[in-house]
Amino acid sequence: GESVGLHLPTLSVQEGDNSIINCAYSNSASDYFIWYKQESGKGPQFIIDIRSNMDKRQGQRVTVLLNKTVKHLSLQIAATQPGDSAVYFCAENAGEGKLIFGQGTELSVKP
Amino acid sequence: ETGVTQTPRHLVMGMTNKKSLKCEQHLGHNAMYWYKQSAKKPLELMFVYNFKEQTENNSVPSRFSPECPNSSHLFLHLHTLQPEDSALYLCASSLDRDGLSGANVLTFGAGSRLTVL
Repeated sequence: GESVGLHLPTLSVQEGDNSIINCAYSNSASDYFIWYKQESGKGPQFIIDIRSNMDKRQGQRVTVLLNKTVKHLSLQIAATQPGDSAVYFCAENAGEGKLIFGQGTELSVKP
Repeated sequence: ETGVTQTPRHLVMGMTNKKSLKCEQHLGHNAMYWYKQSAKKPLELMFVYNFKEQTENNSVPSRFSPECPNSSHLFLHLHTLQPEDSALYLCASSLDRDGLSGANVLTFGAGSRLTVL
């Protein structure tokens, strides 16, 4: 069945280092993927998205990479800051408003 | 603030109580959603409304009853819940249910933390 999962539940990085958060998906027909960030006490916040006809998209300090061959998605955060500490979710568009979310990776940034 | 407001932020209820969660969005969106977020689990889609019509019920027990009186408001009525229903309930909205991408993304509220005793 359809599923979206993350490889690691937690990730700890040093402030200033780059972070890479990974995600695997199973539905090869998915055409749209999103990364959300959820800080403590808040709802998920949109970070960046990518359509399946692209393999890379860059935002401000964030880059999403899509490898359709192995059905893998990653989020790269450059120069990680304490404010980046949060849980990061990938999501896959299943159509008709249905997003399938992964379990989330908790990113901790050490000063 | 995201433009999606949920109340109450925290709710404690007994198994025989009846309560409601409210969601309001000021973004001019036409689609609204309820998600359940339990510890150690991915977000689970519960209901989807598009232009006030329910288009998705993801096998949710009948003790959860959604209501969408207009495109700006969404309620989740709760009745005879179980302790395992304790979770964070997230409301979201998007411009339209279909064609999620680009400017048409899900915007979430901060959630209502529900504890069932």
